Amino acid sequence: NAGVTQTPKFQVLKTGQSMTLQCAQDMNHEYMSWYRQDPGMGLRLIHYSVGAGITDQGEVPNGYNVSRSTTEDFPLRLLSAAPSQTSVYFCASSHYRDGNQPQHFGDGTRLSIL
Amino acid sequence: KQEVTQIPAALSVPEGENLVLNCSFTDSAIYNLQWFRQDPGKGLTSLLLIQSSQREQTSGRLNASLDKSSGRSTLYIAASQPGDSATYLCAATSYNNNDMRFGAGTRLTVKP
Repeated sequence: NAGVTQTPKFQVLKTGQSMTLQCAQDMNHEYMSWYRQDPGMGLRLIHYSVGAGITDQGEVPNGYNVSRSTTEDFPLRLLSAAPSQTSVYFCASSHYRDGNQPQHFGDGTRLSIL
Repeated sequence: KQEVTQIPAALSVPEGENLVLNCSFTDSAIYNLQWFRQDPGKGLTSLLLIQSSQREQTSGRLNASLDKSSGRSTLYIAASQPGDSATYLCAATSYNNNDMRFGAGTRLTVKP
């Protein structure tokens, strides 16, 4: 079982560059989300989606865009990278947002902005 | 706004000890409370999920309890092993928000 796959695992960007973090799941989960994890702050929700064509903002959405054209994929786009976006990014998925189903996480993308 | 706190930030115990990890939350109107394990350089693995109508959940040597009225959850680990060394995070899903709020985690080290 592949579960939730994130690519790349590591990335270094210069300030102002843009990039897309990829996330794919093979469990036919409706709900997918992106979090960032910073030291001492736990995980914070960036954006989430309850199904193809539907996205919404989380706690810290500024500077990020998402789209959900298929059930399997949920890419996260950094429009113009800033040093404050240096973090570890996690993608997660689950069957139903309100179904008390545990979330499955990818292994993360470690992003450094210089 | 839901705020989740985990104390202590780090804990070191000898192998074989029973231990309790603490999680507190400010908004008692939660949908569920989850405990996760995170190994270095890895993602999160869900350990236990307690629904708002439940008081506890058990899986093997792990037992998680939930007390909504006091805004607290605990994760009990029996007979700890070096393989239990990891960071443990709790997360509360509120009825009023459509997201999970995480604590910063407790880094557990079990010494042989």
